Amino acid sequence: ELKVEQNPLFLSMQEGKNYTIYCNYSTTSDRLYWYRQDPGKSLESLFVLLSNGAVKQEGRLMASLDTKARLSTLHITAAVHDLSATYFCAVDPSLDDKIIFGKGTRLHILP
Amino acid sequence: DVKVTQSSRYLVKRTGEKVFLECVQDMDHENMFWYRQDPGLGLRLIYFSYDVKMKEKGDIPEGYSVSREKKERFSLILESASTNQTSMYLCASSLLGVRAKNIQYFGAGTRLSVL
Repeated sequence: ELKVEQNPLFLSMQEGKNYTIYCNYSTTSDRLYWYRQDPGKSLESLFVLLSNGAVKQEGRLMASLDTKARLSTLHITAAVHDLSATYFCAVDPSLDDKIIFGKGTRLHILP
Repeated sequence: DVKVTQSSRYLVKRTGEKVFLECVQDMDHENMFWYRQDPGLGLRLIYFSYDVKMKEKGDIPEGYSVSREKKERFSLILESASTNQTSMYLCASSLLGVRAKNIQYFGAGTRLSVL
């Protein structure tokens, strides 16, 4: 059974600090997604990583993919309060258009 | 922009009622999905459809059925609602095929309470 594990599941951090969220998955996948969910809102696509070594950046968020290690990271640089949200990673291992989500990392950034 | 619209943001139903959750997308996507989201469990796939009248079970189909009579509309049906179906339900859609990168676009969600 495919597992997608995020670490940590909850993170409280100060503004201005850097931190990394990790996403491990248990089977081969060349596509990995990061989504953001604000409280009470739906999911919004942040990044799609399509190959080994792929790196995508937007603002203070940077995502990377290591398909050999089956690991993706979402790095937050100089966090600001507006980044408080739940972040989900997801993989598409069988390319059948179904994707498997991790449980999400709830990020709380303190002013 | 892709728009996925769910008919209700909040619903309160009684145990045993038949419940319909409706989802409409306006970008001609082939794939449509229904998930439920529960604290600590993330998103779990209930059903998905890759074409009109086509459907496949997801990870937790028990107690649910779906209908896709038109490409833009995907309905989730709770035949006899139970309290353990109290949850947030999310609809999503995506383009078919590898080139589309399979990005799913989500609706705002329906928070269902079954009393």
